[in-house]
Amino acid sequence: SQQGEEDPQALSIQEGENATMNCSYKTSINNLQWYRQNSGRGLVHLILIRSNEREKHSGRLRVTLDTSKKSSSLLITASRAADTASYFCATAATQYGNKLVFGAGTILRVKS
Amino acid sequence: NAGVTQTPKFQVLKTGQSMTLQCAQDMNHEYMSWYRQDPGMGLRLIHYSVGAGITDQGEVPNGYNVSRSTTEDFPLRLLSAAPSQTSVYFCASSSRTGTYEQYFGPGTRLTVT
Repeated sequence: SQQGEEDPQALSIQEGENATMNCSYKTSINNLQWYRQNSGRGLVHLILIRSNEREKHSGRLRVTLDTSKKSSSLLITASRAADTASYFCATAATQYGNKLVFGAGTILRVKS
Repeated sequence: NAGVTQTPKFQVLKTGQSMTLQCAQDMNHEYMSWYRQDPGMGLRLIHYSVGAGITDQGEVPNGYNVSRSTTEDFPLRLLSAAPSQTSVYFCASSSRTGTYEQYFGPGTRLTVT
């Protein structure tokens, strides 16, 4: 069974707007990672947040983690058409992150 | 660096046939994993390896075998293909040090008829 559940399943916004995606998980984790998948391609790592961190930034990405609620959010600011993709959260029970459990993903469409 | 490579890109099998999906990485990563992705779902872990000679089962291992004789290669064998194994298969590798991010190959789209 999948660990992460993502919300919304699909999101459509205009270029320049912010996009927020949420992820909930069920068991204790060491870290949570976000990946992007462009249509027909492999996944690309975006950002990792450890269980003892609450917020992390990378460029236009902001990730938060609330371990008490077992939830995380990914915010993409000032979205671009090139951000159109599927976004997945994945949890790792150990620090090595080699056994990731993925959510079903959010499909983001950014209209220009 | 080529990163993680997978062959073939596409494959059609008949029920009962066997085949091997190839995966190779040139980053000297200790960890390698196989995932499958079905429509509307995230990736599910099939098998993984923490080093040459060491493999273990993931969430959905039935019908698949793996071996890891070298650090670079991690082939996935389908013993007797079934329509339920129609999926997109991704191989990934990661280092046991550093950022722990996984690097994914481009995937193999497999159809079993």
